[in-house]
Amino acid sequence: GAVVSQHPSWVICKSGTSVKIECRSLDFQATTMFWYRQFPKQSLMLMATSNEGSKATYEQGVEKDKFLINHASLTLSTLTVTSAHPEDSSFYICSAAGASEPQETQYFGPGTRLLVL
Amino acid sequence: RKEVEQDPGPFNVPEGATVAFNCTYSNSASQSFFWYRQDCRKEPKLLMSVYSSGNEDGRFTAQLNRASQYISLLIRDSKLSDSATYLCVVNNGRTSYDKVIFGPGTSLSVIP
Repeated sequence: GAVVSQHPSWVICKSGTSVKIECRSLDFQATTMFWYRQFPKQSLMLMATSNEGSKATYEQGVEKDKFLINHASLTLSTLTVTSAHPEDSSFYICSAAGASEPQETQYFGPGTRLLVL
Repeated sequence: RKEVEQDPGPFNVPEGATVAFNCTYSNSASQSFFWYRQDCRKEPKLLMSVYSSGNEDGRFTAQLNRASQYISLLIRDSKLSDSATYLCVVNNGRTSYDKVIFGPGTSLSVIP
C-alpha cells in the first residue's frame, strides 16, 4: 500500500518555541493532505485540509495563524505549531489522498508526538 | 449530536469469543464508510471498507444499513492481537480527497 512518513516522530520543546512537522508521501503524489490532532483517550479531530499550491482550509476553532500549513509540493506538507504552549501537546497525524488504489482511502502517517514543557 | 457515534466500550473478551461493534452516523448523505484499527500510540490503519452488500475479510465482517444509518463490525474467534481501538470512519464524499469523520472509537481487549 501507499506509504506516508512523518518527521519527527517525537518532539519535546519549551513553551514559546515553534515546531515544524513534515508529512511526506513516499511513493505517490498527494495533491491533498489532511492534518489531525488526537488528545489522550479521544478520537482524531481534523484540523485542516492541505492542498498543493493553495491555502489550507482550516476547521472551525483551529487558529490558522497558530498552525501554519504549507503544501509546496506534491509529496510534502508541513505543519508548524507557532509559539507552542503546553495545551498544544498532542499526537499530530497527517494523511494523504491520491494513491491510486483504493481511491476512497486516505493513508496515514505514523504520527508525531509533541510535548510542550 | 455527534456525527459519528460508537459503542463506548471497553470490551473485554476472552480469546476465541465473537464480538460486535456498532456505529451510527447522522448524515444521511454520507457516501463511504470504513473501519480502522488504532493500536496504542500508533496511527490508524485501515481494517476494511464497508459496503451496502456487506463484506467479509477472514474473521472480520462489516455491514452497512443505510436506512438505519448504522454500521457494524463483527470479529469472530478473537485473537490477542485483535486488542486495539476500533474506529468507525465516515466519508461524506466519494473519494479520498474528501474529509472523513472519525468516531470516538471502541476499545477491545482480548484476554488469554
